[in-house]
Amino acid sequence: KQEVTQIPAALSVPEGENLVLNCSFTDSAIYNLQWFRQDPGKGLTSLLLIQSSQREQTSGRLNASLDKSSGRSTLYIAASQPGDSATYLCAPSSSFNKFYFGSGTKLNVKP
Amino acid sequence: GAGVSQSPRYKVAKRGQDVALRCDPISGHVSLFWYQQALGQGPEFLTYFQNEAQLDKSGLPSDRFFAERPEGSVSTLKIQRTQQEDSAVYLCASSSFASSYNEQFFGPGTRLTVL
Repeated sequence: KQEVTQIPAALSVPEGENLVLNCSFTDSAIYNLQWFRQDPGKGLTSLLLIQSSQREQTSGRLNASLDKSSGRSTLYIAASQPGDSATYLCAPSSSFNKFYFGSGTKLNVKP
Repeated sequence: GAGVSQSPRYKVAKRGQDVALRCDPISGHVSLFWYQQALGQGPEFLTYFQNEAQLDKSGLPSDRFFAERPEGSVSTLKIQRTQQEDSAVYLCASSSFASSYNEQFFGPGTRLTVL
């Protein structure tokens, strides 16, 4: 079974900082990897999807990289804002139908 | 609707009661997934449907859990004889073969509390 670890578990930063969230996974034979954010009491919002053949994806201030061979992905958030405060979840997929989630990184961006 | 919807949003059940949780996926989405999310944890896969066919139910924790999608659209997750350890948020997601490979779109979840 795929094991997913996210570090750090929690992070508190002042507004404007650039930050990196880390995700590692044990089975490198993945189909793709998706990053989500989850706001309290809400479902998951997809941020970025990286196919196994890709090395990175960018959307606005977000950049996600994937090193499949070493079982690692990072999510880079530039110029963080208080509205970025949420829990960020990493989910590699070993097949079309099965995502495995880490426990997430809880981010707090202070004004 | 524009997104995945789930009902009820909150459900309180007494231990031993049966519950039914509903998911309305995005219209036209072929694939539907159920996940269970315990407090402070990431979601865990329960089961997967492609149209009306349940292709993977390996994540269902016991035979008290049953899911169906009889017409290939709306799905119901049923939990019989609920136990306290069933308390969690149950998330539904859908995916279209046509959208960015298998990007999944999630509903807001149903928070189940078993007393």
